[in-house]
Amino acid sequence: GNSVTQMEGPVTLSEEAFLTINCTYTATGYPSLFWYVQYPGEGLQLLLKATKADDKGSNKGFEATYRKETTSFHLEKGSVQVSDSAVYFCALSARLSGGSNYKLTFGKGTLLTVNP
Amino acid sequence: KAGVTQTPRYLIKTRGQQVTLSCSPISGHRSVSWYQQTPGQGLQFLFEYFSETQRNKGNFPGRFSGRQFSNSRSEMNVSTLELGDSALYLCASSLGGITDTQYFGPGTRLTVL
Repeated sequence: GNSVTQMEGPVTLSEEAFLTINCTYTATGYPSLFWYVQYPGEGLQLLLKATKADDKGSNKGFEATYRKETTSFHLEKGSVQVSDSAVYFCALSARLSGGSNYKLTFGKGTLLTVNP
Repeated sequence: KAGVTQTPRYLIKTRGQQVTLSCSPISGHRSVSWYQQTPGQGLQFLFEYFSETQRNKGNFPGRFSGRQFSNSRSEMNVSTLELGDSALYLCASSLGGITDTQYFGPGTRLTVL
């Protein structure tokens, strides 16, 4: 079935450090890939997405490239800020094998803490 | 535009009872999806409704059901509650469905005693 594996946290960085959160996936067909973020006390919100191979999603200085050959969608940011402290979820939307049923599958989430 | 709203925000029930949660989507969105979030299992997809029809379904038992009304508002029902049903239940709305960007509500925190 479809699955998402993302690096376990927590991740603690100093302000202006480089961030990478790894995400790999297993899916049927051609999934759409997403990064969602959950800031403290707030609901989940979309950070970026990519819908086909080699697409790069970007938002708020974050980037992720859809790599079909390595089935990965790693999240990166060149210089993190304290305000980036949150839980980050990698997710995919893909058809379940053998049918027309789609499912949205999330990774376990990675807690990022950025210290000043 | 108003965001996704969920009611109630907190709920305490006992084992064996049933519960109904409500979700109002963003105006114009016809798709509503439901998710269960727990520390152990993370975020899991329950089902999606689009124009009053269940279009996609996750791997949850039949005790979990839902429906969508003509105004796109959705309800989720859980019957015969178990301790393991304690979780944050999130709903999300979108224009086209679960392949589109999901806009999440704040969630309903259900505690089963």
